[in-house]
Amino acid sequence: EVQLVESGGGVVRPGGSLRLSCATSGFNFDDYDFTWVRQGPGKGLEWVSSINWNGGRTTYADSVKGRFTISRDSAEKSLYLQMNSLGVEDTALYYCARHRRQVVEGYHYYYMDVWGRGATVTVSS
Amino acid sequence: DIQMTQSPSSLSASVGDRVTITCRASQNIYSFLNWYQQKPGRSPKLLIFAASTLQTGVPPRFSASGSGTEFILTISSLQPEDFATYYCQQSYNTPRSTFGGGTRVEIK
Repeated sequence: EVQLVESGGGVVRPGGSLRLSCATSGFNFDDYDFTWVRQGPGKGLEWVSSINWNGGRTTYADSVKGRFTISRDSAEKSLYLQMNSLGVEDTALYYCARHRRQVVEGYHYYYMDVWGRGATVTVSS
Repeated sequence: DIQMTQSPSSLSASVGDRVTITCRASQNIYSFLNWYQQKPGRSPKLLIFAASTLQTGVPPRFSASGSGTEFILTISSLQPEDFATYYCQQSYNTPRSTFGGGTRVEIK
């Protein structure tokens, strides 16, 4: 069964740090790009960060750039999100998602086809 | 950044109704548009990619169309399990994607 399982969430003070993990199983980890998406309480979905298949390309939303670091470990088949200098605005449910690519008529279409259940991050004093 | 705007933000409908949700992009994104369904307390689920291609296992009462800046998701006959929030997402700027604000479909 294809699965993504997040862990590492918790409560942290403003200015603190947390590291989220996303353990994967049921597919060849090295074949896929991955993304972190977050959802604030009662809010919509916000793309946070993505990493390509070999870790050579990382991209961040402006709201987290310079504070968050995405990484991956092929041996562990896991994705990570190191979050530093956390603020109350970072309070959210953080999902990891697998990025799938399908070529149609020469165009590369990307979509997130598998999602984890999410890890809750609460930043509060 | 490409902005995605959904309308309406919420709607009330009855089982059996035909429901349409609109998503507009702030610039031309061709067919690089995906739709997701999210039920309360659950993670998002991919419904449609490339503007109109149904993901495997998604019921055919779901369909979608559009290209450029305007896209539509249609549920032909609303079922009890379809009450959820629906999000569009542009993948034109992958990996720098953006989501619409969501459309909540509620029971009338």
